[in-house]
Amino acid sequence: QKEVEQDPGPLSVPEGAIVSLNCTYSNSAFQYFMWYRQYSRKGPELLMYTYSSGNKEDGRFTAQVDKSSKYISLFIRDSQPSDSATYLCAVYTGTASKLTFGTGTRLQVTL
Amino acid sequence: EPEVTQTPSHQVTQMGQEVILRCVPISNHLYFYWYRQILGQKVEFLVSFYNNEISEKSEIFDDQFSVERPDGSNFTLKIRSTKLEDSAMYFCASSGGLDSPLHFGNGTRLTVT
Repeated sequence: QKEVEQDPGPLSVPEGAIVSLNCTYSNSAFQYFMWYRQYSRKGPELLMYTYSSGNKEDGRFTAQVDKSSKYISLFIRDSQPSDSATYLCAVYTGTASKLTFGTGTRLQVTL
Repeated sequence: EPEVTQTPSHQVTQMGQEVILRCVPISNHLYFYWYRQILGQKVEFLVSFYNNEISEKSEIFDDQFSVERPDGSNFTLKIRSTKLEDSAMYFCASSGGLDSPLHFGNGTRLTVT
């Protein structure tokens, strides 16, 4: 079983749609959860960083963590063409220094 | 906003040659990392570095790889004898603590011919 599973997409939505991106993880030792956005040939850019179960909101982005189900989500409201990118979930124990990434979901927001 | 910078953005080298990839982490960060991403694949951990020594490394990080913090600002990844399969994007990252998020640079695209 992979440590982090993420649907690779691609996911295509019209501008203004609500986007839901999801990951599951297998190891309950993971305590920190991140979402990164990666544009083509660029480095991962940190979008959201959460520790506890529940929701965290930042502008149009909401990160949701359910530790009991080992399930993390990123919601994007009012999606824009500039949101077109690959979205990577990443998990972290907080005691070991290794960040484990999902495969990334490629999102295309169309006009 | 402070950022991680990497040079060069693209490096082409012949198989068997040594390459050094350079990074300037965010200035007050204490933990430094190298990750790589082969085209079309996931971002993979290579090595973490803290207090002037390697704290963790993956099985990818074999004897051909080494890291160094030669001065107070730079963090380098050296590949001693490059192979074709070393072709990838190499990302440097830094963080302020073990429970802090990692901030990544824009990467160095390494092409081994």
